[in-house]
Amino acid sequence: DQQVKQNSPSLSVQEGRISILNCDYTNSMFDYFLWYKKYPAEGPTFLISISSIKDKNEDGRFTVFLNKSAKHLSLHIVPSQPGDSAVYFCAAIDRGSSNTGKLIFGQGTTLQVKP
Amino acid sequence: DTGVSQDPRHKITKRGQNVTFRCDPISEHNRLYWYRQTLGQGPEFLTYFQNEAQLEKSRLLSDRFSAERPKGSFSTLEIQRTEQGDSAMYLCASSSKSGTPLYGYTFGSGTRLTVV
Repeated sequence: DQQVKQNSPSLSVQEGRISILNCDYTNSMFDYFLWYKKYPAEGPTFLISISSIKDKNEDGRFTVFLNKSAKHLSLHIVPSQPGDSAVYFCAAIDRGSSNTGKLIFGQGTTLQVKP
Repeated sequence: DTGVSQDPRHKITKRGQNVTFRCDPISEHNRLYWYRQTLGQGPEFLTYFQNEAQLEKSRLLSDRFSAERPKGSFSTLEIQRTEQGDSAMYLCASSSKSGTPLYGYTFGSGTRLTVV
């Protein structure tokens, strides 16, 4: 039972353009959503997050949008840079796990930004 | 802040052998997590410690798996009688109690286990 789904295994964009990574979820009890970036041979690195009471959070080139009615969130990277090439994981925290912080991850999307 | 350290980085073992991994969290972090990641999948939660207390365990953590965090500092994850299905990346992460879930937590680089 995959509660967090990233249906696009890979995405390729040109440097300077927008990258849009998508994530769908099934559990309406998710209170927090996070994006992590992972380079080969390294652990995931926290990128940006959003609470379920908001619909947008922005941090520099990164913006996360949350559409609760559609149970969908997306990560926008503008402008995309070659150094953004990595695997991006969407993750969620269930309301019952807000004290522990247990994350439920999607399968990941590999982003390639071409120079 | 030296980050989360995991040792070893790679481990190759024969089926049926026992293995133990170590995680050293960021020193002021009292929360420690273990996750497992298999090829093509996202990390899956295994267990959670707050200080020395193991407060949550996943169903994925069979009887062959045991984790400890003596004195609330470093943690070990032991797998007994390894099986080929145990081959995965084992990730450790830590966070501070004062952090909210929105700040995420810091992962180590992982231990890659290969069972042959």
